[in-house]
Amino acid sequence: DAKTTQPTSMDCAEGRAANLPCNHSTISGNEYVYWYRQIHSQGPQYIIHGLKNNETNEMASLIITEDRKSSTLILPHATLRDTAVYYCIVSGANSKLTFGKGITLSVRP
Amino acid sequence: DTGVSQDPRHKITKRGQNVTFRCDPISEHNRLYWYRQTLGQGPEFLTYFQNEAQLEKSRLLSDRFSAERPKGSFSTLEIQRTEQGDSAMYLCASSLTDGHEQFFGPGTRLTVL
Repeated sequence: DAKTTQPTSMDCAEGRAANLPCNHSTISGNEYVYWYRQIHSQGPQYIIHGLKNNETNEMASLIITEDRKSSTLILPHATLRDTAVYYCIVSGANSKLTFGKGITLSVRP
Repeated sequence: DTGVSQDPRHKITKRGQNVTFRCDPISEHNRLYWYRQTLGQGPEFLTYFQNEAQLEKSRLLSDRFSAERPKGSFSTLEIQRTEQGDSAMYLCASSLTDGHEQFFGPGTRLTVL
């Protein structure tokens, strides 16, 4: 079973920041938080991962709370192409991924 | 294109037939994963290889399923005596042994009539 809980869906306006929450209260000390997304009819795409510290790359930022029980993925300037299902996954390094149902993000014009 | 490729992209078969899917990972990637995804659900892990060794199999992988990676490069997933419940998208992913990112292929969509 997935170790994370996410809202079922959310939407945001194009050009605005999209903040996607995730709860992972049972995360272990050596487990990472990974985010993937899946655009309709495509394979999942890696976005970002983190252990304790906040992380940023060209796609997104990941904010992990100090107790590591929750995190937020931030897409700073959402575009229509960011409409997808976003999966928050807790996993050991270099390990299989256990996906939940994810959160469906709809970006509206 | 040096990404993960899968063949075929679509397969329609009749119940009881055998099917085989192929996955070509990114060339330097040691790890290869198979996942299955049904409509409205996230992908579910099936099995993974470290080079040619199959290191873990999910309980989802019944006796009718077999996966191989004979030379540590491409992999095949065979389903024998297909059932309607096998209808799904079969996804392959690859990664470096010490890499965090799994690179997914486009998937093979199987329809069992």
